[in-house]
Amino acid sequence: SAVISQKPSRDICQRGTSLTIQCQVDSQVTMMFWYRQQPGQSLTLIATANQGSEATYESGFVIDKFPISRPNLTFSTLTVSNMSPEDSSIYLCSVGDGGETQYFGPGTRLLVL
Amino acid sequence: GEDVEQSLFLSVREGDSSVINCTYTDSSSTYLYWYKQEPGAGLQLLTYIFSNMDMKQDQRLTVLLNKKDKHLSLRIADTQTGDSAIYFCAERDRDSSYKLIFGSGTRLLVRP
Repeated sequence: SAVISQKPSRDICQRGTSLTIQCQVDSQVTMMFWYRQQPGQSLTLIATANQGSEATYESGFVIDKFPISRPNLTFSTLTVSNMSPEDSSIYLCSVGDGGETQYFGPGTRLLVL
Repeated sequence: GEDVEQSLFLSVREGDSSVINCTYTDSSSTYLYWYKQEPGAGLQLLTYIFSNMDMKQDQRLTVLLNKKDKHLSLRIADTQTGDSAIYFCAERDRDSSYKLIFGSGTRLLVRP
């Protein structure tokens, strides 16, 4: 399975600011995804990060709030823009090889004050 | 839309078997998954089952799939304190080849 790292692992931010989360994989992967896990909740897919083109967002998530980049097959970033306390969550990167399995990174724990 | 449901909490004694249950609504799901999340950590893929299978065994883990009832279970034999975690059931979305729909998670507590 792929080894996935995320930076930062956690952060405390002030409302109105933005945070960019990085996801790095140790091998080239076909698919990269960003999920959100709100406190005590399950995981919800934010978007699919597409290499060389705009990300594909799920219902309820928009590019202005969650801009995503994927410059190559091993790296992606998610920015949480103009943060509010409701954005306090764990943000997880996941990767797939086009087959049946999907692996997750360790997550970024974000607290917005 | 698709929905995946799990009970919220399960407590067992160390050495006993644990059974975590999950129900789903999408009868055309191709794959169903079990992930484990330990405190402060990401999600670890434990096992998955293809929809044309009834059972899959991997060491202490046994997955049972009842397609008729849309019921999935994860049995952990000889449960250890290190198994204490949140367990998520997930199904692959029928309209997207890769999107996973997660249940709310079952918190397993293993008592010494």
